[in-house]
Amino acid sequence: AQRVTQPEKLLSVFKGAPVELKCNYSYSGSPELFWYVQYSRQRLQLLLRHISRESIKGFTADLNKGETSFHLKKPFAQEEDSAMYYCALSGESGGSNYKLTFGKGTLLTVNP
Amino acid sequence: DTGVSQDPRHKITKRGQNVTFRCDPISEHNRLYWYRQTLGQGPEFLTYFQNEAQLEKSRLLSDRFSAERPKGSFSTLEIQRTEQGDSAMYLCASSSGSFGENIQYFGAGTRLSVL
Repeated sequence: AQRVTQPEKLLSVFKGAPVELKCNYSYSGSPELFWYVQYSRQRLQLLLRHISRESIKGFTADLNKGETSFHLKKPFAQEEDSAMYYCALSGESGGSNYKLTFGKGTLLTVNP
Repeated sequence: DTGVSQDPRHKITKRGQNVTFRCDPISEHNRLYWYRQTLGQGPEFLTYFQNEAQLEKSRLLSDRFSAERPKGSFSTLEIQRTEQGDSAMYLCASSSGSFGENIQYFGAGTRLSVL
């Protein structure tokens, strides 16, 4: 079974502080990992995916297969980063398991 | 192209009634997905289509639920004999279908309230 765990429902930091949103997963194989973000009154949108190895809006995430984790990090949080963040996984890139399994989400609040 | 479009945005119905939702994916996206999201949870997979073929259904999708994508373009999700437990946000997503490509673009959702 594939499962994604986000241990923190709520995370509150001050502007300029580092932020780390935790994500652990369970999957028999090599999954593809994603972070999706939902800003207030907006639709769910992709923030980043592990295979692209990009930094988006200052966020990075490294896949740690040994710890089965895909934590999202940003060194200096901004107020506009306040949103709901969802970690998600699907099957191997190029495979046939396309469905996304989501965690329950972490609501990040960046205080001024 | 305005992205994935869902209609209606909100639906209020009485228990026992049938409801139908529509999703229009991004043009030329071959894969279309339906998810359901309840309060405090992440989206949960319901079903997906590759063109007009429904390739996978979750066990969450009871016999009262049916989804179609008749011409491989838009899709409909019908719920028969609605129950209060069906109250949720129903999300549609689409992806290009290119090999190795699984970036899913989501619609704004249809919020269903069953009274």
